[in-house]
Amino acid sequence: SQQGEEDPQALSIQEGENATMNCSYKTSINNLQWYRQNSGRGLVHLILIRSNEREKHSGRLRVTLDTSKKSSSLLITASRAADTASYFCAPNQGGKLIFGQGTELSVKP
Amino acid sequence: KAGVTQTPRYLIKTRGQQVTLSCSPISGHRSVSWYQQTPGQGLQFLFEYFSETQRNKGNFPGRFSGRQFSNSRSEMNVSTLELGDSALYLCASSWVGGLNTEAFFGQGTRLTVV
Repeated sequence: SQQGEEDPQALSIQEGENATMNCSYKTSINNLQWYRQNSGRGLVHLILIRSNEREKHSGRLRVTLDTSKKSSSLLITASRAADTASYFCAPNQGGKLIFGQGTELSVKP
Repeated sequence: KAGVTQTPRYLIKTRGQQVTLSCSPISGHRSVSWYQQTPGQGLQFLFEYFSETQRNKGNFPGRFSGRQFSNSRSEMNVSTLELGDSALYLCASSWVGGLNTEAFFGQGTRLTVV
């Protein structure tokens, strides 16, 4: 069963705008990891946030985690055309990363 | 530091055959987990190996098996291939078991079953 459910399924923005992707999950987690994937290639690790953390930053990325609502969000600021990709959240449930269908982000120049 | 290496990158097999895929984790990482990605089912967890022992397993039939060697390299085997096994197979390397640290993925092996 899918644990991470991303929303929206697709997002199209202009370069320079911010992109926000949301993720919901069903059960308690150890951590939650965000990934990017370009055109069916390998997954690029973005951020890991632990269950006792509320927010993490990495460059233009900001991830939040609300364990009471079982949700997380990924914010990409000042987006670039190169950010065009599919983004996945992967809650760690019992030692397994459970992926949703991802959010397809398109950043237009 | 070299990343996660998967070989081969592409593979075409016939129904009924078997296939072995290889994954070399990042140096020092002892956990290797495997995932199958298809357009219909998305990314699904197959299993995780840590210190040569299978630590966790997903909901796949027994035709899917794996092992890990003392140098942490891992292999995944699929026997009696079916058309539905066509997928991108990804492995991830992690410092500790249970995916409690960052899991870094390789580029994947794209398997086509004809």
